[in-house]
Amino acid sequence: QQKVQQSPESLTVSEGAMASLNCTFSDGTSNNFRWYRQHSAKGLEVLVSIFSDGEKEEGRFTAHLNRANLHVSLHIREPQPSDSAVYLCAVSASNTNKVVFGTGTRLQVLP
Amino acid sequence: GPKVLQIPSHQIIDMGQMVTLNCDPVSNHLYFYWYKQILGQQMEFLVNFYNGKVMEKSKLFKDQFSVERPDGSYFTLKIQPTALEDSAVYFCASSFLGKDTQYFGPGTRLLVL
Repeated sequence: QQKVQQSPESLTVSEGAMASLNCTFSDGTSNNFRWYRQHSAKGLEVLVSIFSDGEKEEGRFTAHLNRANLHVSLHIREPQPSDSAVYLCAVSASNTNKVVFGTGTRLQVLP
Repeated sequence: GPKVLQIPSHQIIDMGQMVTLNCDPVSNHLYFYWYKQILGQQMEFLVNFYNGKVMEKSKLFKDQFSVERPDGSYFTLKIQPTALEDSAVYFCASSFLGKDTQYFGPGTRLLVL
């Protein structure tokens, strides 16, 4: 069964400093990766999707995927206080549409 | 981005009663999902529904759970009867194709007393 772990559990950065979040997964056949964020009491907002090794940028959000290392990361350039939220890694294996979510990283961006 | 709506936003119900959670998915989407998130825990997949059928379900999708989308109206999750451990936030999601981005609603907070 797919296990998706995120680190760190929480992260505090100053406005403008790069924020880096990590996600490891256990199923090497996984081929569908997304980063979402969840503001308190709200639904999920999709940030970036990545399907092959390398880098994918969407605005200030960049995902890096290394499937051999079972690792996908998210980098947030010039984070702002409004980026404070819980960030979730979402992984699907090749033979399923089921999404397994990670444990989440709570990001706080200080002004 | 595309909007998924969920009704109601909150529901309080006595254990043993039936509850129906409603989801209004993105209009042209074909795949529908329910996820469950207990306070402070990971969001977990419950069920995937396509073309009138359950395609995949997890162990959390107990026999007391059912889903349907009659005539293209709301996509619903029914729990009958409810149990205390059903208290959670239930998120609906939809996607156009199975591997496409899933768009999530704001959730329904269910409290079973």
